[in-house]
Amino acid sequence: EAGVTQSPTHLIKTRGQQVTLRCSPISGHTSVYWYQQALGLGLQFLLWYDEGEERNRGNVPPRFSGRQFPNYSSELNVNALELEDSALYLCASSLLLRQALQETQYFGPGTRLLVL
Amino acid sequence: RKEVEQDPGPFNVPEGATVAFNCTYSNSASQSFFWYRQDCRKEPKLLMSVYSSGNEDGRFTAQLNRASQYISLLIRDSKLSDSATYLCVVNIPTLKGSARQLTFGSGTQLTVLP
Repeated sequence: EAGVTQSPTHLIKTRGQQVTLRCSPISGHTSVYWYQQALGLGLQFLLWYDEGEERNRGNVPPRFSGRQFPNYSSELNVNALELEDSALYLCASSLLLRQALQETQYFGPGTRLLVL
Repeated sequence: RKEVEQDPGPFNVPEGATVAFNCTYSNSASQSFFWYRQDCRKEPKLLMSVYSSGNEDGRFTAQLNRASQYISLLIRDSKLSDSATYLCVVNIPTLKGSARQLTFGSGTQLTVLP
């Protein structure tokens, strides 16, 4: 079974540019989560999508946005890039079960973004 | 106070040693607990879920103490391949009704030495 896939694997942008990152969840998973991990730091939650809708948003500026498509794949958009946006962007998918207390997330390999 | 706190380490142990990692969480309403492993410059991978009664998977044992809001991971007979960062992860209910998200600790770095 294919895991979570992300594209591109690496990206170099300059300040002020815009970037779109893509994620395909595990087949059958309806939830997609986006995280940011700056070098040497922990994971910061960015956004959560489920069934095509944004369900929750982390403490991130409005220039971070995204969407989820009918096939459950997702895009993360970052506008007006800043130097501190340089990080590994991780996507995770899970199957949201109603009343579930355990919901396991599986991560893709990430997209490394460098902002110059 | 951070929602999930871990000792960052690093822990440097010889092969064959037993090592324990601790983690505390601040939200008593948390329901799900996990340990993930992250190798250098790679994505986190689920190591094991943590259940109330404690659980074991080979050389790995996880314990949960809800009263103290404390989670632990014990690794016995350490292997060189166990070298990684171990992330304590807690599912913390949000204010948005059924909305849930995972909160990751900053990780504990382990190096197993030959």
